[in-house]
Amino acid sequence: GEDVEQSLFLSVREGDSSVINCTYTDSSSTYLYWYKQEPGAGLQLLTYIFSNMDMKQDQRLTVLLNKKDKHLSLRIADTQTGDSAIYFCAEIYQAGTALIFGKGTTLSVSS
Amino acid sequence: DAGVTQSPTHLIKTRGQQVTLRCSPKSGHDTVSWYQQALGQGPQFIFQYYEEEERQRGNFPDRFSGHQFPNYSSELNVNALLLGDSALYLCASSLANRGSGGELFFGEGSRLTVL
Repeated sequence: GEDVEQSLFLSVREGDSSVINCTYTDSSSTYLYWYKQEPGAGLQLLTYIFSNMDMKQDQRLTVLLNKKDKHLSLRIADTQTGDSAIYFCAEIYQAGTALIFGKGTTLSVSS
Repeated sequence: DAGVTQSPTHLIKTRGQQVTLRCSPKSGHDTVSWYQQALGQGPQFIFQYYEEEERQRGNFPDRFSGHQFPNYSSELNVNALLLGDSALYLCASSLANRGSGGELFFGEGSRLTVL
């Protein structure tokens, strides 16, 4: 069945790089997403990658996709205290269908 | 350009009551999806509306129903509320056209507490 797995917690120091990992099971996934959620707020779309890409870079964010291993990662360069939040990985089978979310990774950034 | 807007932001109901939540999609988007996020969990898909019809549905009972209006806005209705319905309800908007890419934006959510 469909499933998205993430580690629950990650703690880093300000200025370091953060890498949040995600594995998924549906090899037919077309888009894979990273969302950020701050306490009491909705989901902020950070970035997404189409399944025929291996990497996508957007300012401090780098997404790597390994389709063979069904592994997705989000690297945040120069992590700041404002990056502290819950990060959700999600996959979509095809445009117009449901997003399948992981349980989220809580990123804690200490100064 | 307004993003996805939802109302109300917070509400409290008692068991057995009914609730209606509202969503206006991002300008230019024609598809609205609803998700339920329980505390400490990832969002779970409820259903999706396109062209005023329910196009896909997740594993939620018939107590959960919805509607989409000609201006693409949408409502989520929940009848006979249970304590377990307490959650953050999120609306997401997107474009049905595959050529539009994968952008899918969420609103800030409506936090429902059932007592």
